[in-house]
Amino acid sequence: DAGVTQSPTHLIKTRGQQVTLRCSPKSGHDTVSWYQQALGQGPQFIFQYYEEEERQRGNFPDRFSGHQFPNYSSELNVNALLLGDSALYLCASSLAGGANIQYFGAGTRLSVL
Amino acid sequence: AQKVTQAQTEISVVEKEDVTLDCVYETRDTTYYLFWYKQPPSGELVFLIRRNSFDEQNEISGRYSWNFQKSTSSFNFTITASQVVDSAVYFCALSATNFGNEKLTFGTGTRLTIIP
Repeated sequence: DAGVTQSPTHLIKTRGQQVTLRCSPKSGHDTVSWYQQALGQGPQFIFQYYEEEERQRGNFPDRFSGHQFPNYSSELNVNALLLGDSALYLCASSLAGGANIQYFGAGTRLSVL
Repeated sequence: AQKVTQAQTEISVVEKEDVTLDCVYETRDTTYYLFWYKQPPSGELVFLIRRNSFDEQNEISGRYSWNFQKSTSSFNFTITASQVVDSAVYFCALSATNFGNEKLTFGTGTRLTIIP
């Protein structure tokens, strides 16, 4: 049973560029959440997708957008990259419902130069 | 607003010693969930435990134990007879319980180093 998978593992971009990160949830899960983890910090919630719609959003600008596909996989898009967007981006999957356990992937390390 | 505080930034102990990681939380919700995750160098957050705010019973799982005290808003994690494989960053997290409001609010983490 595959867990949460994310691609790519590492990514290097320059300021102003756009990036797309991908996530496949754990088998049987229908909800995907995205988190940003800056170096030395705890993960910060970006948004959560359920039934192909954004259900909850954290305090992130509109440059951060996402999508969920019918097979429950998800993408995170970041436009107009800033140096401060350099971080580990973590995807988590869960079953819809009150605070079901979120299982995390290994993340995508994004470096913005 | 929810907040989780892990005051211990880094802890180092010699192998086989016991170690306790502290977690203090703030929430206005009457019901909530508390979590502990482990993050090894690979980066993946590994789920360790989830505790409902209704259940204040302490829990033990092998060398791991958790002490939940609602009166002091704390959810501390103890590793008994620590091993080198326990070296990682540990995060405490908090979430609401209602459907559609399930984001995890994390603390800043405690980096635990077990010295062989």
